[in-house]
Amino acid sequence: SQTIHQWPATLVQPVGSPLSLECTVEGTSNPNLYWYRQAAGRGLQLLFYSVGIGQISSEVPQNLSASRPQDRQFILSSKKLLLSDSGFYLCAWRRQSEAFFGQGTRLTVV
Amino acid sequence: AQSVAQPEDQVNVAEGNPLTVKCTYSVSGNPYLFWYVQYPNRGLQFLLKYITGDNLVKGSYGFEAEFNKSQTSFHLKKPSALVSDSALYFCAVRNSGAGSYQLTFGKGTKLSVIP
Repeated sequence: SQTIHQWPATLVQPVGSPLSLECTVEGTSNPNLYWYRQAAGRGLQLLFYSVGIGQISSEVPQNLSASRPQDRQFILSSKKLLLSDSGFYLCAWRRQSEAFFGQGTRLTVV
Repeated sequence: AQSVAQPEDQVNVAEGNPLTVKCTYSVSGNPYLFWYVQYPNRGLQFLLKYITGDNLVKGSYGFEAEFNKSQTSFHLKKPSALVSDSALYFCAVRNSGAGSYQLTFGKGTKLSVIP
């Protein structure tokens, strides 16, 4: 069966520090992968999606970047965090019509 | 561009009463429609989907949703609400066309079931 792992579950980082959130998928190959951000506990904003290794599409301009170094690994990064980067980040993968989500990372920038 | 509207930020319902969470969508072509539920500080859990076929879709935990093409709606329903149904519910849409990757979510509706 397929599973998706996302870590860490919670993270507190100072403004200006770097960020790296990792997401891995097991039990499938060549998945479509997504990063979403949920701000203030409401709404989901698509940040990035990837259809293959090294292929990243950005949906909104921002302080974040994404990379896909391996088929089942999707990384969300920032060189310098802003206060506005605080939120709940969700990784997801899509199989045919359905999307499956990781447990999320609560990022607090202080 | 595709979009999803969930007109109610919050829905309150008494335990045992029927519940409805509303969703309307806009997409070019035929839609794939989804409902997800989110419990506090957790990821989204899939409830049900409409791809094709019967307009009434049955999903997890006794939930169902009805696809109405003329009204571009996909409302979530349950005949008898439980306190444990209290959570944040998201409707989502994707274009059914090949090569369509973006899954667009509504802003979510907070459901509170009152004992």
